[in-house]
Amino acid sequence: DAGVTQSPTHLIKTRGQQVTLRCSPKSGHDTVSWYQQALGQGPQFIFQYYEEEERQRGNFPDRFSGHQFPNYSSELNVNALLLGDSALYLCASSLEGQGDYEQYFGPGTRLTVT
Amino acid sequence: LAKTTQPISMDSYEGQEVNITCSHNNIATNDYITWYQQFPSQGPRFIIQGYKTKVTNEVASLFIPADRKSSTLSLPRVSLSDTAVYYCLVGRVGSNYQLIWGAGTKLIIKP
Repeated sequence: DAGVTQSPTHLIKTRGQQVTLRCSPKSGHDTVSWYQQALGQGPQFIFQYYEEEERQRGNFPDRFSGHQFPNYSSELNVNALLLGDSALYLCASSLEGQGDYEQYFGPGTRLTVT
Repeated sequence: LAKTTQPISMDSYEGQEVNITCSHNNIATNDYITWYQQFPSQGPRFIIQGYKTKVTNEVASLFIPADRKSSTLSLPRVSLSDTAVYYCLVGRVGSNYQLIWGAGTKLIIKP
């Protein structure tokens, strides 16, 4: 049973560029959440997708957008990259209505903006 | 959204029992308490979740007093591989939930 997978593992971009990160949820999961984790800090919630729609959003600007596909996989897009966007981006999947909210996290994508 | 407070760091030794306490004074009736473990450059991993009293699984126990304003994660007989950051989270079950992650507790296990 494959867990949550993310690609790419590492990414280096230049300020002002755009980036797309990808996530495949754990088999059987239908909900995907994205987090940004700066060094030494806890994950910060970006947004959550369910049924191909964004249904919850954290305190992140519109430069951060996402998409969920019919197969439940998801993308995170960040436009006009800033140096402060350098972080570990985590994807987590869960199953809606399961009765608890145990999330399964992927290994993350390390984004470096220069 | 309930906020949690936990120690920034803790040290212990192999074979000892480690207890990490989390304070969540504003916990709501429908909130559950969840603990995650995170190793460097990896995603967090679910450890345990509870609502009240005591919950135990193969890796940890979670103690929750009657007022639910705090909780204690207990790790029995820790090893060096338990060195990690531990996060305490409080949130509601169901749709539109949003969990707030603090900085966690950095646990260092010494030989």
